[in-house]
Amino acid sequence: DTGVSQDPRHKITKRGQNVTFRCDPISEHNRLYWYRQTLGQGPEFLTYFQNEAQLEKSRLLSDRFSAERPKGSFSTLEIQRTEQGDSAMYLCASSFAESDTQYFGPGTRLTVL
Amino acid sequence: AQKVTQAQTEISVVEKEDVTLDCVYETRDTTYYLFWYKQPPSGELVFLIRRNSFDEQNEISGRYSWNFQKSTSSFNFTITASQVVDSAVYFCALSEDRDDKIIFGKGTRLHILP
Repeated sequence: DTGVSQDPRHKITKRGQNVTFRCDPISEHNRLYWYRQTLGQGPEFLTYFQNEAQLEKSRLLSDRFSAERPKGSFSTLEIQRTEQGDSAMYLCASSFAESDTQYFGPGTRLTVL
Repeated sequence: AQKVTQAQTEISVVEKEDVTLDCVYETRDTTYYLFWYKQPPSGELVFLIRRNSFDEQNEISGRYSWNFQKSTSSFNFTITASQVVDSAVYFCALSEDRDDKIIFGKGTRLHILP
């Protein structure tokens, strides 16, 4: 059973550019979560999906951020018009059902120059 | 409001010593879940344990043990006979039954010195 995978692992971009990250959850996991982790801090919740439905979005998720899970399998997180403050590790996690253990992927480290 | 406090920012111990990482949580829910995750230098969060609020039994897994005390809202983690490979950042976390997101503490960076 493969774990959660994320692509790319690292992304360097210039301020103002758009970036998109992908997350593939553990197969048969219905729930998929996005978190953001900045240096020296714990991960912070961004949003989550039950199958293809986006159930909750954090206030951290500004209008420049959008997440999708079109077929209830993989998910994408897009950041438009990136800012230096967006530099962080973006973590994806999945779980089989509500309140189950969330298993995390390796993360995508974003650096905005 | 939910909150997780890990008062120890950084700990250094010599290999083979025992070390305890403290975690204090706040929640108004009666049903909640507590977690510990390990984040080695590679960056991936590794799940260690999940505990629900109705199960106060202490747990031992090899060199790892966890002490859950509802009376003090604490969920402490002890590593016995520490090894260099235990060096990592450890996060304590909480989720409430009616809300599926996990709230993490700021983490404790553990250095095991050879």
